Amino acid sequence: ETGVTQSPTHLIKTRGQQVTLRCSSQSGHNTVSWYQQALGQGPQFIFQYYREEENGRGNFPPRFSGLQFPNYSSELNVNALELDDSALYLCASSLAGTTYNEQFFGPGTRLTVL
Amino acid sequence: AQSVTQLDSHVSVSEGTPVLLRCNYSSSYSPSLFWYVQHPNKGLQLLLKYTSAATLVKGINGFEAEFKKSETSFHLTKPSAHMSDAAEYFCVVSFSGGYNKLIFGAGTRLAVHP
Repeated sequence: ETGVTQSPTHLIKTRGQQVTLRCSSQSGHNTVSWYQQALGQGPQFIFQYYREEENGRGNFPPRFSGLQFPNYSSELNVNALELDDSALYLCASSLAGTTYNEQFFGPGTRLTVL
Repeated sequence: AQSVTQLDSHVSVSEGTPVLLRCNYSSSYSPSLFWYVQHPNKGLQLLLKYTSAATLVKGINGFEAEFKKSETSFHLTKPSAHMSDAAEYFCVVSFSGGYNKLIFGAGTRLAVHP
């Protein structure tokens, strides 16, 4: 069973640029959630994708967008980067309909915006 | 609305002594509660989960937590700390409205001294 993987591990961008982060779900999982973890804080829910559609969103502006592909992998796109977007971005996969929808996390992508 | 409050941002113990990490929750529904651990530069790992079965939940690495509805608490304990337990710990409640998102506390950093 392959776990959740994310790429890249680290990324440095400048303010105003755009970034794409990638996530591969754990084998057999059909739901992907993205979280933002700022330094010294707990992760905050960005959005969730199920069957290639966004089915839940946290308090993040529209410049945060995502995709889920038929193989259930996912992308997180952030446009017009701001300094406050610097954070660890975590992807979690789960299987909808299973007991308690346990989420399995990847190692994260650390984004630094200069 | 669901939320969790971790009562201590930092806890320091000596190796071999008990660990207590405190968490209070707020939920309109019968909650699903979790404890996750995050080691430096690693992803989040599930320690244990409460899902309305037994109120005393046993997890990995000797950790356990007790769900107390009357106190709205879900404290994490371990009888004897090990150096490898030093990490960030998150108390988490699962959102119960239509899709599965996790709501994290701010985290408690556990330091273990020899």
